[in-house]
Amino acid sequence: QLQLQESGPGLVKPSETLSLTCTVSGGSISSSSYYWGWIRQPPGKGLEWIGSIYYSGSTYYNPSLKSRVTISVDTSKNQFSLKLSSVTAADTAVYYCASGPGDDTSTEYWFDPWGQGTLVTVSS
Amino acid sequence: EIVLTQSPATLSLSPGERATLSCRASQSVSSYLAWYQQKPGQAPRLLIYDASNRATGIPARFSGSGSGTDFTLTISSLEPEDFAVYYCQQRSNWPRTWTFGQGTKVEIK
Repeated sequence: QLQLQESGPGLVKPSETLSLTCTVSGGSISSSSYYWGWIRQPPGKGLEWIGSIYYSGSTYYNPSLKSRVTISVDTSKNQFSLKLSSVTAADTAVYYCASGPGDDTSTEYWFDPWGQGTLVTVSS
Repeated sequence: EIVLTQSPATLSLSPGERATLSCRASQSVSSYLAWYQQKPGQAPRLLIYDASNRATGIPARFSGSGSGTDFTLTISSLEPEDFAVYYCQQRSNWPRTWTFGQGTKVEIK
């Protein structure tokens, strides 16, 4: 059973880069059976998809964030990561990592399971 | 880009009542629609995928229906633990993007 756990700084200064890591247990991040994603939720608001990455290396990003986002995989550590540059207060949110079944040729699209989430605050 | 619109924003009901939540897509998503439940301080939990398939461990009182642009999540008889926020979600293929609805809060009346 896959389990995901986010980690990273809880406070980031404006204009800097937010960096988070998601550690995967119970399965291999190199498996073609899964895709990986990041989703965020500003305080009191709804869910916003940030981006996804497949086993093939294909990455897809929210168009509204694309210029600032990088998602990558570290197979040696069974982790995937999120980098969001030039952050502002609007990037303050709980950041979730999540997984879904399938590869980039399949029709699967849901996220299950999710990590517990980590709050990142952008403030000087 | 496909937009998902959920209604109502808030649903006030009593335990034991039936809850009917709507999700409308701006263009057809076939049956590729998922529903999630989120309780305060918790991560979302997958309830339904492919419009009508319950995820593992989800009680039978949760059911999903619909195809194309109109979808419904029904909770047949609300349990105290069902009061939460519910989101629908889909994935577009071109460009490949994932989208969530804005959520429906089911609150105790």
